[in-house]
Amino acid sequence: SAVISQKPSRDICQRGTSLTIQCQVDSQVTMMFWYRQQPGQSLTLIATANQGSEATYESGFVIDKFPISRPNLTFSTLTVSNMSPEDSSIYLCSVETSSSGRAWDTQYFGPGTRLTVL
Amino acid sequence: EDQVTQSPEALRLQEGESSSLNCSYTVSGLRGLFWYRQDPGKGPEFLFTLYSAGEEKEKERLKATLTKKESFLHITAPKPEDSATYLCAVQARGTDKLIFGTGTRLQVFP
Repeated sequence: SAVISQKPSRDICQRGTSLTIQCQVDSQVTMMFWYRQQPGQSLTLIATANQGSEATYESGFVIDKFPISRPNLTFSTLTVSNMSPEDSSIYLCSVETSSSGRAWDTQYFGPGTRLTVL
Repeated sequence: EDQVTQSPEALRLQEGESSSLNCSYTVSGLRGLFWYRQDPGKGPEFLFTLYSAGEEKEKERLKATLTKKESFLHITAPKPEDSATYLCAVQARGTDKLIFGTGTRLQVFP
């Protein structure tokens, strides 16, 4: 498994501003992911971040709105830019790692960042 | 299109009353099916990964099973601390993306 921390845990922001969310893992991982969970809904993948390459974004998410950095194998950031109330969500990072000897096994999630945009 | 549907949306059980949660899926080649537990205000907590039809996994009062079209999460003699939202997700071959269902919100009362 993996221990994942996120900062901040929550924030209230004004429309038009940007917020950078940090994700730290206690071990080196190749794959890191950013998900969004809107109120009352399930999780949706925003992008996949591999160290040393550009992030890969899912349909409906763009780099200008959600720029991602992945400077090393234990850390990533997600920025939510030019925020509007529709960006109010929980943002979660996850990592893919192995616990059973397979090359991959499952994704473990951080505690999330609860963002409210006024 | 890959899709996950969970039922019921909500379930109320009395302590000790066993039941099952359903996860129906369509996917273009299954790489894995995942069950998570999510408590309010927290990130999903990993429970199980299932890889092929017929596979079963157990953890305490929980048992997950998998067929070619659905998975069940059986809860035996639940306790109030089992109250949470249970999420099911699938991962297709050739991708790392998890596709989640909307979850089953379980309440276990004494």
